[in-house]
Amino acid sequence: GAVVSQHPSRVICKSGTSVKIECRSLDFQATTMFWYRQFPKQSLMLMATSNEGSKATYEQGVEKDKFLINHASLTLSTLTVTSAHPEDSSFYICSARAPSGSIAKNIQYFGAGTRLSVL
Amino acid sequence: DAKTTQPPSMDCAEGRAANLPCNHSTISGNEYVYWYRQIHSQGPQYIIHGLKNNETNEMASLIITEDRKSSTLILPHATLRDTAVYYCIVRPYSGAGSYQLTFGKGTKLSVIP
Repeated sequence: GAVVSQHPSRVICKSGTSVKIECRSLDFQATTMFWYRQFPKQSLMLMATSNEGSKATYEQGVEKDKFLINHASLTLSTLTVTSAHPEDSSFYICSARAPSGSIAKNIQYFGAGTRLSVL
Repeated sequence: DAKTTQPPSMDCAEGRAANLPCNHSTISGNEYVYWYRQIHSQGPQYIIHGLKNNETNEMASLIITEDRKSSTLILPHATLRDTAVYYCIVRPYSGAGSYQLTFGKGTKLSVIP
């Protein structure tokens, strides 16, 4: 399957700092990328949909000014958690959707996730 | 998206076939069935998807009933590394609603030595 790289895998930061997470599609161009959040023992919850060259679409209840998403190229999307607080501690996962007609056949491929701990 | 219902947990002996059921009784004609799994502390992994015909790949087989109201994911020879949460998701293949995956609680499969 296609490869999506997510970095860093783990980050520990102090309250009030900002953290940037990168998501790269390594072997295909992803016009659409997604950001999810997963709290312990819960399922993945979609935070936002990121389209290359346009503003992200955020799910209800997700603060767009707190979770800044940039999708400047077809292979890179970034999520910046601004002024992080302990309640933002979670497992953040990105995915990339290969375009229809590609070998990946419109499937979403996921990164390995980033575990954020805010002290 | 059509809702899916999966058992919360299942056990399977190592080396035996693991059969994971999924009910999707309200599935629409243009909705596919997708299966992903999530091994502990990792991102979900795509397994397989299908519309109405049975599908097989190097990881698993997908059996969809003729009325498409349920399906079964089959791991033919389960190994300890198959221990994970398995998610059954239905969504349109294209058009409105096709972009997003809505994850339920899935089935936690434990492969036992």
